[in-house]
Amino acid sequence: EAGVAQSPRYKIIEKRQSVAFWCNPISGHATLYWYQQILGQGPKLLIQFQNNGVVDDSQLPKDRFSAERLKGVDSTLKIQPAKLEDSAVYLCASSLESLGGEAFFGQGTRLTVV
Amino acid sequence: AQSVAQPEDQVNVAEGNPLTVKCTYSVSGNPYLFWYVQYPNRGLQFLLKYITGDNLVKGSYGFEAEFNKSQTSFHLKKPSALVSDSALYFCAVRDDYGQNFVFGPGTRLSVLP
Repeated sequence: EAGVAQSPRYKIIEKRQSVAFWCNPISGHATLYWYQQILGQGPKLLIQFQNNGVVDDSQLPKDRFSAERLKGVDSTLKIQPAKLEDSAVYLCASSLESLGGEAFFGQGTRLTVV
Repeated sequence: AQSVAQPEDQVNVAEGNPLTVKCTYSVSGNPYLFWYVQYPNRGLQFLLKYITGDNLVKGSYGFEAEFNKSQTSFHLKKPSALVSDSALYFCAVRDDYGQNFVFGPGTRLSVLP
């Protein structure tokens, strides 16, 4: 079974630029998550999708971050404009079910904002 | 709002000795509890979960965890540690609406040969 795919693996941008991350979840997984993991900290949930609908985006900085999951499969997370404090690893995860199902994580995208 | 605490930033244990990584949680309703491990430059890997039933849950690589509802704890254990177990361990909790999948700050486990 193929895992969660994310791209790119690494990205370096200057502050105030924009950036987008892509995620392809495991086939058939209805629930998709985006997390931000700052070095030395635990992952912080940014947004949760159930199919193509948003379930929870309470911690998404909506003035600069946006995410979509068209057709309930692939998802993109965008930051515009980026700030220095956005430097982190952005993790995508998916699960078969939102309640008791474990989430499977991709390798993540390491973003450095300079 | 729910939360997860991992009171130890670092746990050191000698190879062959038992290990425990502690986790306490706060959630409204019934908790769904998970442990994940993260190796350097790798994504998070699922170890085990508690949904319902037996309080002692067995998972991958010989790990197990004990759910204690009265103490709101879900400690990760292994009877005999290996050097290769050295990694970052995260406890996570999800509420019974299937939302708020929250992770703790992580505990770095070092197993010394």
